Amino acid sequence: ETGVTQTPRHLVMGMTNKKSLKCEQHLGHNAMYWYKQSAKKPLELMFVYNFKEQTENNSVPSRFSPECPNSSHLFLHLHTLQPEDSALYLCASSSAWGLDTQYFGPGTRLTVL
Amino acid sequence: AQRVTQPEKLLSVFKGAPVELKCNYSYSGSPELFWYVQYSRQRLQLLLRHISRESIKGFTADLNKGETSFHLKKPFAQEEDSAMYYCAPPRANSKLTFGKGITLSVRP
Repeated sequence: ETGVTQTPRHLVMGMTNKKSLKCEQHLGHNAMYWYKQSAKKPLELMFVYNFKEQTENNSVPSRFSPECPNSSHLFLHLHTLQPEDSALYLCASSSAWGLDTQYFGPGTRLTVL
Repeated sequence: AQRVTQPEKLLSVFKGAPVELKCNYSYSGSPELFWYVQYSRQRLQLLLRHISRESIKGFTADLNKGETSFHLKKPFAQEEDSAMYYCAPPRANSKLTFGKGITLSVRP
């Protein structure tokens, strides 16, 4: 599959669970992003990685833990989430962090019970 | 404060009517702005960017440095234009990121 892929597409978890979201890009990009999209705040930037280094953490609670093992893969590890964390989590990539178009994945719809 | 502002949440027009989706910016540095679109059940995607100066799907956006605006315009709206539209700066970071978005609804 080309472009930006995300798995799983849907996830339901309890507040005590630990789960991970995965993002993979096949575009040869060097920057990757996590966004949260919800009805209350349409699009919130969470994290930015540029050449595998975290460059931005937008005051995200520690129950969200990103990991970028290489330029093609990005993970978001989740633990002890709250119901208000239920949202669509979008991954995006761009050739580098800067004047570049971001390419988005389809998102993971997360529901926290 | 640095920001990209979309002052309206919803714009509803009839098919064939002109459309203007507003975007204002207030930050230093290159104002190379983008417009992204999200159609129902589709992923967020680029519509157009200032630097390319293209017309995509009949939409254009002109950078007005005097008014610090990058409004998205289309002379005749189509039903398939109904979507969520986001104005975005070139470099997303914790202080400056996408606008809040506007829902465009085009009625038949």
